[in-house]
Amino acid sequence: TQLLEQSPQFLSIQEGENLTVYCNSSSVFSSLQWYRQEPGEGPVLLVTVVTGGEVKKLKRLTFQFGDARKDSSLHITAAQPGDTGLYLCAGAFVQGSQGNLIFGKGTKLSVKP
Amino acid sequence: DAGVIQSPRHEVTEMGQEVTLRCKPISGHDYLFWYRQTMMRGLELLIYFNNNVPIDDSGMPEDRFSAKMPNASFSTLKIQPSEPRDSAVYFCASSKKTGVGGYTFGSGTRLTVV
Repeated sequence: TQLLEQSPQFLSIQEGENLTVYCNSSSVFSSLQWYRQEPGEGPVLLVTVVTGGEVKKLKRLTFQFGDARKDSSLHITAAQPGDTGLYLCAGAFVQGSQGNLIFGKGTKLSVKP
Repeated sequence: DAGVIQSPRHEVTEMGQEVTLRCKPISGHDYLFWYRQTMMRGLELLIYFNNNVPIDDSGMPEDRFSAKMPNASFSTLKIQPSEPRDSAVYFCASSKKTGVGGYTFGSGTRLTVV
């Protein structure tokens, strides 16, 4: 069974703090995506990483793909209340195949003002 | 572009009733996915279509669930008869052919079966 483990499951921090959330698997991904989901809405794609060791930045968010392409992390600098939401990672196991995108259960982030 | 459109947003029904969820994907997207989200199990893939043809329905819980895609702009997910354990948020998503493009999700249908 291909599983994606995300940690921590819940995270509550104060505005201005930094945080890192993790996504791990025992399987190798051809690509990995991060989504953010706000209450009452569907997940929204933030980034896709495809190369082992790849680092992508999106304003205050930094995404890293592990060298072995089995894990990924999301780091947020100076978190703001607008960052509150459920962060989901999703891995594709077969290159170019849409049907094998597996989602983790997510990290629920709450940023308090 | 209006994005992926799902209806209804909320549905409350009694056990045993038929429920039909609707989805309009983004024009030009060749793939359509139906997901179910619960606190316990997260996002689960139920079924997906490529060019209107069902490719993998192994995630469909049982025969009570069925999905159709009669054309490129419309899909339905039907539950008959519904049961309380079907209560969840159901998402439709669509994507282009390439694997790295990411999925565009609708806003979901929150189903409550009482």
